[in-house]
Amino acid sequence: KAGVTQTPRYLIKTRGQQVTLSCSPISGHRSVSWYQQTPGQGLQFLFEYFSETQRNKGNFPGRFSGRQFSNSRSEMNVSTLELGDSALYLCASSPDTGVGTDTQYFGPGTRLTVL
Amino acid sequence: QQPVQSPQAVILREGEDAVINCSSSKALYSVHWYRQKHGEAPVFLMILLKGGEQKGHDKISASFNEKKQQSSLYLTASQLSYSGTYFCGTEKAADYKLSFGAGTTVTVRA
Repeated sequence: KAGVTQTPRYLIKTRGQQVTLSCSPISGHRSVSWYQQTPGQGLQFLFEYFSETQRNKGNFPGRFSGRQFSNSRSEMNVSTLELGDSALYLCASSPDTGVGTDTQYFGPGTRLTVL
Repeated sequence: QQPVQSPQAVILREGEDAVINCSSSKALYSVHWYRQKHGEAPVFLMILLKGGEQKGHDKISASFNEKKQQSSLYLTASQLSYSGTYFCGTEKAADYKLSFGAGTTVTVRA
């Protein structure tokens, strides 16, 4: 099976712009989670989607949003970019075989640099 | 709230053992362990559920003390391939929200 894919892999934006990142989960996985990874803060949970519904979200401002499509592909959007948004954004898909978070299969990430 | 991992870093020689700890101030439903090598995505190692169920790696072992809200990951007879940063993720309820610790960097030397 193909793994989780994320596009684009690298992105450079300027402050104030907005950006959309895409994630294609492993075939058959219906749960997609997003994380922000920075050297200072580590891995921070952004949100989780299942069957097009957001089941939970982390403590990020409303500038960070996401959605999931009927084919389980997911996008996240960051509006009005700030320098502090520079990070590696990781997407993880999960088979969601039971109650609670299941095994997460991470994609390679999108490296966002905000200038 | 992020779990606390210790130690922050450990250096081992091949064949040595190490223990990585993960503590939470809140009651936990599950503890997850992942390893990330430099420049790569995190890779799943183990899930430990409240009540004792485990899912994971045959060569990696871990424990979950529900009363103390602590988990430990045991690296036994370490190999060079064990090098990387180990993260624990905790879930307070079965609510699909994982909070990760800051990570423990493991370096295994020949």
